Amino acid sequence: DTGVSQDPRHKITKRGQNVTFRCDPISEHNRLYWYRQTLGQGPEFLTYFQNEAQLEKSRLLSDRFSAERPKGSFSTLEIQRTEQGDSAMYLCASSLGGGNTIYFGEGSWLTVV
Amino acid sequence: AQRVTQPEKLLSVFKGAPVELKCNYSYSGSPELFWYVQYSRQRLQLLLRHISRESIKGFTADLNKGETSFHLKKPFAQEEDSAMYYCALSGQRTGANNLFFGTGTRLTVIP
Repeated sequence: DTGVSQDPRHKITKRGQNVTFRCDPISEHNRLYWYRQTLGQGPEFLTYFQNEAQLEKSRLLSDRFSAERPKGSFSTLEIQRTEQGDSAMYLCASSLGGGNTIYFGEGSWLTVV
Repeated sequence: AQRVTQPEKLLSVFKGAPVELKCNYSYSGSPELFWYVQYSRQRLQLLLRHISRESIKGFTADLNKGETSFHLKKPFAQEEDSAMYYCALSGQRTGANNLFFGTGTRLTVIP
């Protein structure tokens, strides 16, 4: 499967712990996006990268969240001091430039207990 | 601010019946509209976008700027159409081509 891949697919963590998710975009896609989806809602934009530059961050991305894409390829999303409200599906997506189709990964489920 | 409204959370139709999934939007400017679909145990994927003006899997959607709607239609529903459908928009105000999604409609096609 050469689509967007995410790891881990599921994560259960205790409140207050840090978690990190990894995303590998489709090869040669220069744009990479992170979205969050909670039950009964559509995906909500968090942030996106053009190559290694983080160009936009949503207000949803609190100070506890940090995303990186150090070499313009894979990306990591870290959540520090997790809270129960962080429980959600974290979706990664990629596209070849702006205006082109955005392809989604299968998502990483986070449950904070 | 942008808004995408999908008024129906659940929609059930019989196989062979026409189906229409409603989507209304609010946006200052000229947005691009999309329909994304998520089949059971599969990832979210693009179904169609209004600028393509194409039919995918028998589905069509016409952008009606006067009514600010982008309803998804299919004349004869099939069982394999059962899925979660999301309407989304993008435009300059959403940032680059970031997508702003509605809450989704779960379509069930009854055999």
